[in-house]
Amino acid sequence: DVKVTQSSRYLVKRTGEKVFLECVQDMDHENMFWYRQDPGLGLRLIYFSYDVKMKEKGDIPEGYSVSREKKERFSLILESASTNQTSMYLCASSLSGFGQRGDTQYFGPGTRLTVL
Amino acid sequence: DAKTTQPNSMESNEEEPVHLPCNHSTISGTDYIHWYRQLPSQGPEYVIHGLTSNVNNRMASLAIAEDRKSSTLILHRATLRDAAVYYCILRDPGGTSYGKLTFGQGTILTVHP
Repeated sequence: DVKVTQSSRYLVKRTGEKVFLECVQDMDHENMFWYRQDPGLGLRLIYFSYDVKMKEKGDIPEGYSVSREKKERFSLILESASTNQTSMYLCASSLSGFGQRGDTQYFGPGTRLTVL
Repeated sequence: DAKTTQPNSMESNEEEPVHLPCNHSTISGTDYIHWYRQLPSQGPEYVIHGLTSNVNNRMASLAIAEDRKSSTLILHRATLRDAAVYYCILRDPGGTSYGKLTFGQGTILTVHP
């Protein structure tokens, strides 16, 4: 079975701190994604990556950056955390590469981040 | 982007079949219909997907209308573990989609013992 793991289930940080959320997948997937999930707004895509060192902005990239130095690992970085970044963060991966359709995304358990 | 419309919530009794509808009247000819579900305190998980023909797997069945403007996820015998938010998603047809999924609000399924 595909396994997507996230570094923390719960995280509490202070405003202005730099925050790293890590995601690791064990199935050699090419695509990796970071979403945030908020009540009433559903899941929204922040960034995704289709290869090592390659990244693309999603729908809400402001205030976030990402890093993919190894194929299995995709990091989400909050350079200076703010209270409006309090949310559930979900990582996902999928097998197929550029332009493929019909592939499946596998999600991690999520990290609930609270910024005080 | 093609949109989907789902009821906000549905209820079922345990061991009864559940039919979860989804309307997607602006679907394009190459859009796949995906269903995911999210159990409480977990990330979403894939349930099933299809293009034109009905599909079955160990979790559920997907019935796709002939004109593809609607589909129905069928849980043949609901269990308490099936209580979740169910999302009907059309794959982004854009050339740079990279497999991006656009989640709507989904349907909250409540299963009564």
